[in-house]
Amino acid sequence: GAVVSQHPSWVICKSGTSVKIECRSLDFQATTMFWYRQFPKQSLMLMATSNEGSKATYEQGVEKDKFLINHASLTLSTLTVTSAHPEDSSFYICSAREGRQVQETQYFGPGTRLLVL
Amino acid sequence: GENVEQHPSTLSVQEGDSAVIKCTYSDSASNYFPWYKQELGKGPQLIIDIRSNVGEKKDQRIAVTLNKTAKHFSLHITETQPEDSAVYFCAGGGSKQGGKLIFGQGTELSVKP
Repeated sequence: GAVVSQHPSWVICKSGTSVKIECRSLDFQATTMFWYRQFPKQSLMLMATSNEGSKATYEQGVEKDKFLINHASLTLSTLTVTSAHPEDSSFYICSAREGRQVQETQYFGPGTRLLVL
Repeated sequence: GENVEQHPSTLSVQEGDSAVIKCTYSDSASNYFPWYKQELGKGPQLIIDIRSNVGEKKDQRIAVTLNKTAKHFSLHITETQPEDSAVYFCAGGGSKQGGKLIFGQGTELSVKP
């Protein structure tokens, strides 16, 4: 199946710093990528949808100025957590889909664990 | 908007037994229903999916059934093995959800040897 990678796999940072997480589709071109966050023992919470070459669409309650998403190419999307605080500590997971149709398979990355001290 | 409910939240079975996880959805326009398996500390992995033009799909020990009239779909795992232990998520999606998947709350499956 298709492979999606994330980097880094885990990161520890100080409060107030910014952290960038990369999501890459390795063997297919991803027109659409998604960013989720997941707290322990909970489901996946969609943060935003990004389509290559256009601005991301954020879910209600997600601060777009705090979680900057860039989808500049068909194989790379980045999530930058700006001025991170301890409450931003979570498991961030991206997924990628070749097209824009919901019926197309969505492949997930391995996740990035963020700990803000 | 779409809402997906998943039950049970935890499920414990003996190795070799079958496991069934059920999900219901609210939007009759939803037409794509994948199931994901998530192991501890990893990203979700697609295990099977079904589209609304079929009622059942099977892949070795895993099967999914869909009842469009009742708006529910189920995951069936037969001959369970300890390596099946994980959290399973159902999801639903359609054009009305803007191409997004709506996930259920997850089921933690434990297969005891």
